[in-house]
Amino acid sequence: DTGVSQDPRHKITKRGQNVTFRCDPISEHNRLYWYRQTLGQGPEFLTYFQNEAQLEKSRLLSDRFSAERPKGSFSTLEIQRTEQGDSAMYLCASSLAEGATHTIYFGEGSWLTVV
Amino acid sequence: TQLLEQSPQFLSIQEGENLTVYCNSSSVFSSLQWYRQEPGEGPVLLVTVVTGGEVKKLKRLTFQFGDARKDSSLHITAAQPGDTGLYLCAGGGGTYKYIFGTGTRLKVLA
Repeated sequence: DTGVSQDPRHKITKRGQNVTFRCDPISEHNRLYWYRQTLGQGPEFLTYFQNEAQLEKSRLLSDRFSAERPKGSFSTLEIQRTEQGDSAMYLCASSLAEGATHTIYFGEGSWLTVV
Repeated sequence: TQLLEQSPQFLSIQEGENLTVYCNSSSVFSSLQWYRQEPGEGPVLLVTVVTGGEVKKLKRLTFQFGDARKDSSLHITAAQPGDTGLYLCAGGGGTYKYIFGTGTRLKVLA
């Protein structure tokens, strides 16, 4: 399977701990996205990379959140000093951008529960 | 800020019935995607529409992009229990990111 893969799929952590999620995009895709989704809502945009450059961060992404894509391939999303409000599914997506129209493909998501 | 409103928010129907889900915005999108999401899984792409007025069919699903590229609809014919899920529309504005709608949760009863 050569789709977007995310790890771990589920994470339960105590409030105040740090967590890191990894995303491996589809191999030839140059764009990588992180979204967050809470129960019953659509995904909300967090941040976006074109190759290794992080080009936009949503205001939803507080300074406790940091994302990297060091070699333009896989990406990590780290949340420091987790809070209960961080509990959500974190979705990674990738696309091959050619012009204004491109299709984004999602991974299966990483569920975070902060207790 | 671009917003996509979906209606209805919830829909519960009997197997065999037809239904339409709407996705509306005041913004123009260069393309629009529809996804279906199962509980605990990531969204799975159903279709991308890019041309105003475009109609695409995927078996019993018919997708339409509005002439002005501000709205879209998804019509399901003879719904089946396997169609149950969260349906999401996502609009791309010619930039890099897609904005998601609020979602329509569909339940098809056998």
